[in-house]
Amino acid sequence: GDSVTQMEGPVTLSEEAFLTINCTYTATGYPSLFWYVQYPGEGLQLLLKATKADDKGSNKGFEATYRKETTSFHLEKGSVQVSDSAVYFCALRSGAGSYQLTFGKGTKLSVIP
Amino acid sequence: DTEVTQTPKHLVMGMTNKKSLKCEQHMGHRAMYWYKQKAKKPPELMFVYSYEKLSINESVPSRFSPECPNSSLLNLHLHALQPEDSALYLCASSQDTGGRETQYFGPGTRLLVL
Repeated sequence: GDSVTQMEGPVTLSEEAFLTINCTYTATGYPSLFWYVQYPGEGLQLLLKATKADDKGSNKGFEATYRKETTSFHLEKGSVQVSDSAVYFCALRSGAGSYQLTFGKGTKLSVIP
Repeated sequence: DTEVTQTPKHLVMGMTNKKSLKCEQHMGHRAMYWYKQKAKKPPELMFVYSYEKLSINESVPSRFSPECPNSSLLNLHLHALQPEDSALYLCASSQDTGGRETQYFGPGTRLLVL
């Protein structure tokens, strides 16, 4: 079945540091890949997505590239801010009639001034 | 607009109460979902509605009863809940269930069962 593996953290960074959160996946077919962000006390927000190999999703300074050869979708940001402190979930959705959104376990990021 | 709204934001209920959670979207999406999220865990799928019909029930206890009155609304009726049902309940919607479409989530209802 489908699965997503991401570094669980917690990750603590200083403001303006470079961020990488690793995400690898196992899926049948050609899934769509997503990063969702959950700020404290809130629901999930779609951060970015990619639907085919070599696509790069980007939003709010975050980027992730769909790498089929390494089955990865790592999240990066060049300079994090305190406001980026949140839990980040990598997720995938396979095609061909699948309703399932498969999540990784989430990575908690804390950015300190 | 990719907004999914949920009410109430917070809910406290006793084990003998009956309450309902409400979810609404106006994106023309034909698939709607209920998820349960416990602290420090990813969301777990509970129910899937496709074109206003229940298509998936992930073995959820009958004390949770979903309802889809129309294509924009999704309710979750709660009755005789247990303290372990305390969690964040998230609603989501997508264009359809059959492909790889994006699911958009609401802000959630934080439920506490006493």
